[in-house]
Amino acid sequence: DVKVTQSSRYLVKRTGEKVFLECVQDMDHENMFWYRQDPGLGLRLIYFSYDVKMKEKGDIPEGYSVSREKKERFSLILESASTNQTSMYLCASRTGGVVAKNIQYFGAGTRLSVL
Amino acid sequence: GNSVTQMEGPVTLSEEAFLTINCTYTATGYPSLFWYVQYPGEGLQLLLKATKADDKGSNKGFEATYRKETTSFHLEKGSVQVSDSAVYFCASHPYNNNDMRFGAGTRLTVKP
Repeated sequence: DVKVTQSSRYLVKRTGEKVFLECVQDMDHENMFWYRQDPGLGLRLIYFSYDVKMKEKGDIPEGYSVSREKKERFSLILESASTNQTSMYLCASRTGGVVAKNIQYFGAGTRLSVL
Repeated sequence: GNSVTQMEGPVTLSEEAFLTINCTYTATGYPSLFWYVQYPGEGLQLLLKATKADDKGSNKGFEATYRKETTSFHLEKGSVQVSDSAVYFCASHPYNNNDMRFGAGTRLTVKP
């Protein structure tokens, strides 16, 4: 089975801190994604990566950056955490090819609270 | 553009009731359509999918039919169980790009 592992289930950080959220997948997938999930808004794409060192902005990239130095790992970075970044963060991965037919696999999520 | 609208929740049903969660999409071309489920404390997992018009996806007693004429992909189950309590997300993925869109999610609670 595909496994997408997020390093933390819960994080509490202070305003202004630099925060790293880590995600690792074990199925050699080309594509990896970071979403945030907020009540009533569904999932919104922050960034995605279709290859090592490649990244594309999603719908809400402001205040975030990403890093993909190895194929299996995709990191989300909050350069200076703010209270409006309190949310659930979900990582996903998907193989390449005919993208619309391929399933996205999700991690369990990291619930981040910024105080 | 590509977007998904799904029925607002929360939805509360008694065990063995019939479930419908409405989902409509807008997209250019012929997207693939998905239903994902999120159980408490977990990430999203695929429930079912359909990749072309008139396809029916099914899994665990849930069904959804890809209706191109009404741009819909409504989720149904004939008899819900307490264990079906979760948040359900409809998603649309246009062919050949990475623009996958999710609905806002519908929280289902099934009471014994």
